[in-house]
Amino acid sequence: GQQLNQSPQSMFIQEGEDVSMNCTSSSIFNTWLWYKQDPGEGPVLLIALYKAGELTSNGRLTAQFGITRKDSFLNISASIPSDVGIYFCAGQQPFIQGAQKLVFGQGTRLTINP
Amino acid sequence: DAGVTQSPTHLIKTRGQHVTLRCSPISGHKSVSWYQQVLGQGPQFIFQYYEKEERGRGNFPDRFSARQFPNYSSELNVNALLLGDSALYLCASSRSREASYEQYFGPGTRLTVT
Repeated sequence: GQQLNQSPQSMFIQEGEDVSMNCTSSSIFNTWLWYKQDPGEGPVLLIALYKAGELTSNGRLTAQFGITRKDSFLNISASIPSDVGIYFCAGQQPFIQGAQKLVFGQGTRLTINP
Repeated sequence: DAGVTQSPTHLIKTRGQHVTLRCSPISGHKSVSWYQQVLGQGPQFIFQYYEKEERGRGNFPDRFSARQFPNYSSELNVNALLLGDSALYLCASSRSREASYEQYFGPGTRLTVT
C-alpha cells in the first residue's frame, strides 16, 4: 500500500537532546498529522497541520507543513523518558471519492538513554 | 469524555475462520475508519464509514467488510482468515468525513491467525 517516506527509521539519543524527524511524499496532502504510538496501544494524535507553511507547537513539540504540501517535519525539544515510542506522520489526501483516507509513514522509533 | 473503544483486545483464530471486530467512536463523532497495522509498519487504510454508508475503501480483498450502525458504532468482518491477516486492527473516529477533521484512534484489536 501507499506510504510516506519517513526518516530516520530509528533514533538513539540522550535525555535532554532535541529530536528532529521528517516525512516526504510524491503526492500532495491537504492535512498533515503527527501521531505517537506506544507498544500495544493505538496512535495518539500529537499535532495537526492544515495549511502549507503552517508552523504549530504543542508544548515541547513543533511541527511544520511544508510549503509544497508534500512534506512535514516534527521537532521535539529537551527530550524526556516519556518521549520514547514510535512516531508516525500521516497525510490526509484531498477529499476525493468521499473518503477521509490517512496515508502513514513507516514510523520513527525513538529510544532515549537516561 | 471516553475515547474510541474497541473490542475484543486480543483474538486468536485459525485459518479459514471468520472474525468480527467492534468499535465505538467518540461521542458526537459520525465517521469511523478502519486500519490494519502489521508489525513494523504504519497503519493501512481499509474502510471509512459515515452516516452508515461506506465512503471509501483501501486496497483490501472482498473478504474484508464492515458496517456502521445508527449509533455510529461499527463492525469489521473478515472472512476466510489467512495467516497474513494477523495484525493490529485500529478504529479511528472523526466528527465528519471532510479532510480537515482529525482522526482519533482506539487502542486496537490484536488479531493472531494460526
